[in-house]
Amino acid sequence: SAVISQKPSRDICQRGTSLTIQCQVDSQVTMMFWYRQQPGQSLTLIATANQGSEATYESGFVIDKFPISRPNLTFSTLTVSNMSPEDSSIYLCSVSDSPYEQYFGPGTRLTVT
Amino acid sequence: GQQVMQIPQYQHVQEGEDFTTYCNSSTTLSNIQWYKQRPGGHPVFLIQLVKSGEVKKQKRLTFQFGEAKKNSSLHITATQTTDVGTYFCAGGPSGTYKYIFGTGTRLKVLA
Repeated sequence: SAVISQKPSRDICQRGTSLTIQCQVDSQVTMMFWYRQQPGQSLTLIATANQGSEATYESGFVIDKFPISRPNLTFSTLTVSNMSPEDSSIYLCSVSDSPYEQYFGPGTRLTVT
Repeated sequence: GQQVMQIPQYQHVQEGEDFTTYCNSSTTLSNIQWYKQRPGGHPVFLIQLVKSGEVKKQKRLTFQFGEAKKNSSLHITATQTTDVGTYFCAGGPSGTYKYIFGTGTRLKVLA
């Protein structure tokens, strides 16, 4: 299975600022995803990061708020823009190189004050 | 849109007791995955089920996919304290890599 790292592991940010989260994989993978998980809740898919093209966003998530980049097959970034306290959450990237199995990074715990 | 519900939401068991969580989708699934998330950790892939009526076992864990491919279950025999965590199912419609995660079942095992 792929080894996935995320930076930062946690951050406390002020309202109105932006934070970029990095996801690095130790091997090339076909699919990369970004999820959000509120404490004690399930995972919600934000978007699929597409290499070389615009990300595919799920209902309720827009590019202006969550711009995503994927410059190659091992790296992606998610930016949380113009943050508000409602954006406080754990952000997880995941990767998949088969139709089924997903492997998750350790997550980024974001607190917005 | 597609919804995936799990019951129960919480379960406390004595060590050695059995545990079952049920996963129900509002739509037919092409396959289903199960994940375990330890407290403070990230989801870890456990297994995938593809065929209608499929049953798979991993040591004390038994996974089943319903005949109509709209429900699934995870059964743990003789729970141990290492089984503590939240168990999520994730359902995928056909022709897509995207998965909808269930609401999760949080398991606590009392020693």
